[in-house]
Amino acid sequence: SAVISQKPSRDICQRGTSLTIQCQVDSQVTMMFWYRQQPGQSLTLIATANQGSEATYESGFVIDKFPISRPNLTFSTLTVSNMSPEDSSIYLCSVERTGTGYSEAFFGQGTRLTVV
Amino acid sequence: SQKIEQNSEALNIQEGKTATLTCNYTNYSPAYLQWYRQDPGRGPVFLLLIRENEKEKRKERLKVTFDTTLKQSLFHITASQPADSATYLCALIDNYGQNFVFGPGTRLSVLP
Repeated sequence: SAVISQKPSRDICQRGTSLTIQCQVDSQVTMMFWYRQQPGQSLTLIATANQGSEATYESGFVIDKFPISRPNLTFSTLTVSNMSPEDSSIYLCSVERTGTGYSEAFFGQGTRLTVV
Repeated sequence: SQKIEQNSEALNIQEGKTATLTCNYTNYSPAYLQWYRQDPGRGPVFLLLIRENEKEKRKERLKVTFDTTLKQSLFHITASQPADSATYLCALIDNYGQNFVFGPGTRLSVLP
């Protein structure tokens, strides 16, 4: 299993500002994943963060808006830049553990962001 | 196009009954499918995995079926309890075997 600590758990931010979300894992992992979950909707993958290289962003997400850091194998940050009300969402970090022929996802508790 | 659908956004059932949730997918060929539970203000938590060569998997009061012909998985909670109230998400690995793809979830409410 994996224990993931994510903070802040929630925040209310002003339009045009930025928020950095931190994610700490209790063991070393190669890849960390950042998701967005808008109200009533499922998880959408923002990007995959590998240690020592630039994050890989999914369609519709760009580095200027969601810069990611991955300084070591247990930690990552996601910044939501120049926020607008449309960025109000829950942001989750995730890691995967691989078993025999399968992977299992573990999640942090999420960051509920409200932009006003 | 590829998509995952879950039968309903919300499902209300009476305590003690069996809850059945449906997950349908299109244009995926998953080697396995997973079900997660998500409580308000929390991240999803893994419940069960079923592989493409398995028809059924059980874990305590939970049962999952997987029909690769119908491209459908059913998730059953027997003898449901109010504590089972949560959102349940199905998930599969994309066709590149790299990223998880999650369904929209079904919010289950078990009424006492």
